[in-house]
Amino acid sequence: DSGVTQTPKHLITATGQRVTLRCSPRSGDLSVYWYQQSLDQGLQFLIQYYNGEERAKGNILERFSAQQFPDLHSELNLSSLELGDSALYFCASSPRLASIDEQFFGPGTRLTVL
Amino acid sequence: GEDVEQSLFLSVREGDSSVINCTYTDSSSTYLYWYKQEPGAGLQLLTYIFSNMDMKQDQRLTVLLNKKDKHLSLRIADTQTGDSAIYFCAETGGSTGRRALTFGSGTRLQVQP
Repeated sequence: DSGVTQTPKHLITATGQRVTLRCSPRSGDLSVYWYQQSLDQGLQFLIQYYNGEERAKGNILERFSAQQFPDLHSELNLSSLELGDSALYFCASSPRLASIDEQFFGPGTRLTVL
Repeated sequence: GEDVEQSLFLSVREGDSSVINCTYTDSSSTYLYWYKQEPGAGLQLLTYIFSNMDMKQDQRLTVLLNKKDKHLSLRIADTQTGDSAIYFCAETGGSTGRRALTFGSGTRLQVQP
């Protein structure tokens, strides 16, 4: 158990819908990363937050957005869903911003878009 | 941009050594990592190596880094059936100090009893 929790574990929805994925980082970790794992794109970085502020963006679509709240939990919002958005979405947390800080991964949310 | 590549599949017999290879393109990568993903689970960090090192050993795991060829390998000694999983090579750092991980496509290790 990494200490990172993600809800829900599974999500099935239809095209055009909007969903919210939630991540609670390990206690004390200030940095949260979101990654997407799909058959087409592999594992790719989406976005990073540190202490409530966006710090880095990867291959995140404009239809996707995220935020980190004062209690440090983070939410990833996916809208106008398409079939290709079906993937495993991971959240990871780390204590600080240092490159050497280990990123602890949650178990993921499996999103299926029908 | 940065890119990390791995072979897709490796099959070994229990008790043999496994060697998983990875190549990367960003010569200024700072840290290189090996992650393990078991079915239905998240990613677990196995080990990492700083770019100024050539080798790192941690129990059954040996990481070798050839900076000149931008080649990273993970050797698992005495491979067990519990080692069956997908192994991802990843890197951070680079000239912009990227902290987000750039992953390879993963190598599925199958250990046959």
